[in-house]
Amino acid sequence: RKEVEQDPGPFNVPEGATVAFNCTYSNSASQSFFWYRQDCRKEPKLLMSVYSSGNEDGRFTAQLNRASQYISLLIRDSKLSDSATYLCVVTRNSGNTPLVFGKGTRLSVIA
Amino acid sequence: DTGVSQDPRHKITKRGQNVTFRCDPISEHNRLYWYRQTLGQGPEFLTYFQNEAQLEKSRLLSDRFSAERPKGSFSTLEIQRTEQGDSAMYLCASSPDRDYGYTFGSGTRLTVV
Repeated sequence: RKEVEQDPGPFNVPEGATVAFNCTYSNSASQSFFWYRQDCRKEPKLLMSVYSSGNEDGRFTAQLNRASQYISLLIRDSKLSDSATYLCVVTRNSGNTPLVFGKGTRLSVIA
Repeated sequence: DTGVSQDPRHKITKRGQNVTFRCDPISEHNRLYWYRQTLGQGPEFLTYFQNEAQLEKSRLLSDRFSAERPKGSFSTLEIQRTEQGDSAMYLCASSPDRDYGYTFGSGTRLTVV
């Protein structure tokens, strides 16, 4: 089983739609969780951290379910500028370990 | 510029040549990471440093790859005897602490012909 699994998409949604991405991770010892955004041929950029209680940043909501080892990202009122690849990211376990990236989910928001 | 800088942005080399990439992290960040990304894949971990100490190397990092971070500042990644399979985007990132997300540089795109 891969450490981080995501549906690669693409998700093609109209402007204004709500879209949700899911991600599962294999290591129950993982401690930190993030969503990154990557535009075509650009570097990944941190979108938001994911906390156990769930967290929101404007139109973006992230949820973590440790029991199911599942992370989600919800985007409300999609904008054309949201078109990108969204990478689910976890630490391998606690301590000094590097981040493990999923392959990403591609989103296209269409007018 | 307070971001992570990588040089060069693009490198085309012939198979068998050696190449070296440089990364300048954000100055306050003591952790520096190297990742490799190919088309359609997420970034794959190669190695990381805490200050000048190289703490972990991925199994992806064959003997042809070496990384250094002298004095805990900038880092270099060298690939010896390049192969076509080394063609990828090489990303450097830094972070201040283990619990923080990383800030990536723009990457060095390597093409081996």
